[in-house]
Amino acid sequence: DAKTTQPNSMESNEEEPVHLPCNHSTISGTDYIHWYRQLPSQGPEYVIHGLTSNVNNRMASLAIAEDRKSSTLILHRATLRDAAVYYCILLNSGGSNYKLTFGKGTLLTVNP
Amino acid sequence: GAVVSQHPSWVICKSGTSVKIECRSLDFQATTMFWYRQFPKQSLMLMATSNEGSKATYEQGVEKDKFLINHASLTLSTLTVTSAHPEDSSFYICSAGDRDFYGYTFGSGTRLTVV
Repeated sequence: DAKTTQPNSMESNEEEPVHLPCNHSTISGTDYIHWYRQLPSQGPEYVIHGLTSNVNNRMASLAIAEDRKSSTLILHRATLRDAAVYYCILLNSGGSNYKLTFGKGTLLTVNP
Repeated sequence: GAVVSQHPSWVICKSGTSVKIECRSLDFQATTMFWYRQFPKQSLMLMATSNEGSKATYEQGVEKDKFLINHASLTLSTLTVTSAHPEDSSFYICSAGDRDFYGYTFGSGTRLTVV
């Protein structure tokens, strides 16, 4: 299975942008890059996903490297409600890599 | 957006009894559902994958006779923890995906405490 590597933790200040990195050097051509986050005592929630091009939605932006071996989740203005564990996961719905398997993720702390 | 409802949100049961947890997709048909458990301060661990109308596929090390999974319809999957023991106390979470596969939607989780 294609694996991802993320920093264990990151810290940010409220109202400032946050860049959460993810390395996935063994990504296959059909793997999508998904990001989920889990707030304390809740189920994870979908944040964003992409294949090759950068993506934006109301929650975040996803910047994907040209070689697709890394990506960065960007929270443009962190709020206290963004404090969570963020998971970068590779998924391929049409292939064998369709299971959402979680690594340790990055614990984001947002300071007021 | 897609909504997955999971019930109950918490349950306390006596050792040796069985507990059933329901996972429903409210506004879409879920062809695939996943069950996870999460211990404190740890990541989610995938227990099994269930596809509507077929038997669940369990991950290595997960006892299929202890954790019974039924995915009888495109909107409902259930996890039954049989003969529960205190070590089964955990946070159980389901997720579901639809045919269009935009991403997976998660339930809010069930905190099981076995006393």
